[in-house]
Amino acid sequence: GAVVSQHPSRVICKSGTSVKIECRSLDFQATTMFWYRQFPKKSLMLMATSNEGSKATYEQGVEKDKFLINHASLTLSTLTVTSAHPEDSSFYICSARGFGGSRVETQYFGPGTRLLVL
Amino acid sequence: KQEVTQIPAALSVPEGENLVLNCSFTDSAIYNLQWFRQDPGKGLTSLLLIQSSQREQTSGRLNASLDKSSGRSTLYIAASQPGDSATYLCAAASGGSYIPTFGRGTSLIVHP
Repeated sequence: GAVVSQHPSRVICKSGTSVKIECRSLDFQATTMFWYRQFPKKSLMLMATSNEGSKATYEQGVEKDKFLINHASLTLSTLTVTSAHPEDSSFYICSARGFGGSRVETQYFGPGTRLLVL
Repeated sequence: KQEVTQIPAALSVPEGENLVLNCSFTDSAIYNLQWFRQDPGKGLTSLLLIQSSQREQTSGRLNASLDKSSGRSTLYIAASQPGDSATYLCAAASGGSYIPTFGRGTSLIVHP
């Protein structure tokens, strides 16, 4: 089946630094990629949607200058958390939509990245 | 705006029981509905995907049904095992962008 990878799986950083998270669709081309955030014991909240080569569309309440999204190719999207603060600590999950072996477009989810800001 | 609700929020059962997890959604014009499993501190594992034109999907001991008219989906787990302990999330993809909206999940504990 279709695989979506994320790197790194865990990251610890100091407050004020920036952190980049990569999301790759390994065996299919993703027409659209999505970034979600999950708080402890909460559901996944959509942060932004991105299409290759165009600017990301951010959900209401998500700071686009804080969470920079670059969709460089049909298989790679990156999320950069700029000037990270402890309240940015969370679990970030990416998703890629494509025909990963299916006849219909489906969203496939990555394993997530745990970010801890000290 | 799509809203997804999962009931119950938590469930603790002895091994061997058959279980039903419920998911309801407000906008019946869905593209698909997906059930996921999430272990503590881990990402999502897709369990079953039901397309809008389908009524149910089965995989091993799992069976998921979809009733668009009533805005409901159920995940049936037969003969539960301790290894089934996890949080189960449902997500309904709807709207022009078919973006999944997630419920808050049902936390399941199956004790020996």
